[in-house]
Amino acid sequence: QQPVQSPQAVILREGEDAVINCSSSKALYSVHWYRQKHGEAPIFLMILLKGGEQKGHDKISASFNEKKQQSSLYLTASQLSYSGTYFCGTDEAGGTSYGKLTFGQGTILTVHP
Amino acid sequence: NAGVTQTPKFQVLKTGQSMTLQCAQDMNHEYMSWYRQDPGMGLRLIHYSVGAGITDQGEVPNGYNVSRSTTEDFPLRLLSAAPSQTSVYFCASSYLGAGGYTFGSGTRLTVV
Repeated sequence: QQPVQSPQAVILREGEDAVINCSSSKALYSVHWYRQKHGEAPIFLMILLKGGEQKGHDKISASFNEKKQQSSLYLTASQLSYSGTYFCGTDEAGGTSYGKLTFGQGTILTVHP
Repeated sequence: NAGVTQTPKFQVLKTGQSMTLQCAQDMNHEYMSWYRQDPGMGLRLIHYSVGAGITDQGEVPNGYNVSRSTTEDFPLRLLSAAPSQTSVYFCASSYLGAGGYTFGSGTRLTVV
């Protein structure tokens, strides 16, 4: 089942912060986050495994609440280069996980000067 | 390292024609998959493979076939193209159960 992302779109000015949420109705083994720029392939940002860990990547970090099957992506002090569509991908728990991902519908992030 | 290589980048087919989209990776990844991307619908899984000789269906497998004879290659075959298969197709690979996907640059397919 496809995870649900919110919001669908975000408009920021450089330096502002944003949070993108990803919610699933299924128990999850892991959550991935990707960014895709127009006309390009998605690029991997980070993976969070069950255990409620939080990860960081420069000014981009994420958390994973496995009890609520939710993950959030935090973008702080946004830069123009952050513009793009962000996707979460979820890997359902149960048995051996081999990384088969179901992606959300995406969140379009636009950063203006 | 070339990563994940997809060919062709663009293709126009007539309804009823068949073709194969090629995907090759040089990272020795066990897991490979095909997704299609349509506006507003994110990435939907077509077929995937956890190793040579092993394939399985994803969310939208109808009209597509795959095979995995080697670790490196995972071609996607369209049996009889339909306008509903107009989309951007991405191939992705990863280590089993660990690490993120590496995506190919995509194939933009139009069926007229």
